[in-house]
Amino acid sequence: IAGITQAPTSQILAAGRRMTLRCTQDMRHNAMYWYRQDLGLGLRLIHYSNTAGTTGKGEVPDGYSVSRANTDDFPLTLASAVPSQTSVYFCASSPGGQSTEAFFGQGTRLTVV
Amino acid sequence: QKEVEQNSGPLSVPEGAIASLNCTYSDRGSQSFFWYRQYSGKSPELIMSIYSNGDKEDGRFTAQLNKASQYVSLLIRDSQPSDSATYLCAVILALNSGYALNFGKGTSLLVTP
Repeated sequence: IAGITQAPTSQILAAGRRMTLRCTQDMRHNAMYWYRQDLGLGLRLIHYSNTAGTTGKGEVPDGYSVSRANTDDFPLTLASAVPSQTSVYFCASSPGGQSTEAFFGQGTRLTVV
Repeated sequence: QKEVEQNSGPLSVPEGAIASLNCTYSDRGSQSFFWYRQYSGKSPELIMSIYSNGDKEDGRFTAQLNKASQYVSLLIRDSQPSDSATYLCAVILALNSGYALNFGKGTSLLVTP
């Protein structure tokens, strides 16, 4: 089934550890996104990529980095996790452009202790 | 920061009634608008997109857009208990190198049997 796959589904992580959340799409979409969702704060954009080889910062980029080496993969790395990064992380993709909708992966629930 | 505002709810409607969900946005230049549905513990899924002033109907759902008032709404006719979810309004946001969705915090809808 075509779509977006995120891994892991959930993770408990010790503060200070490094963690990479994986995201792969098989729809050949140009654009990919990382959002975090927190109770009361909604979905907030962390980083985005509008095409392979380019990335940009969203609303809440601090403490996170991304890369886009190819069209399909868009990993999100927490270099040194802190408890405030406890959240549900969603990866999304879209064909690109201002008229196209985004499709979401199933999410990664991350707890930093 | 360009804002997308929604009433958090919960909005409670009886089964069979019309549910009306509202959203306002601050960026007068926005051109693309989306409604997503999110069940508890799940990822957002696209319901409707709308780009032009007026109404757009898809089954029991009608999206309404008024760019002059910077207002977009979603009507759900013949509401069913299975419609109980959080509804997210999203507006296209122009970024330095492309576009991304800017989400409201969502309105919780409860359809009571």
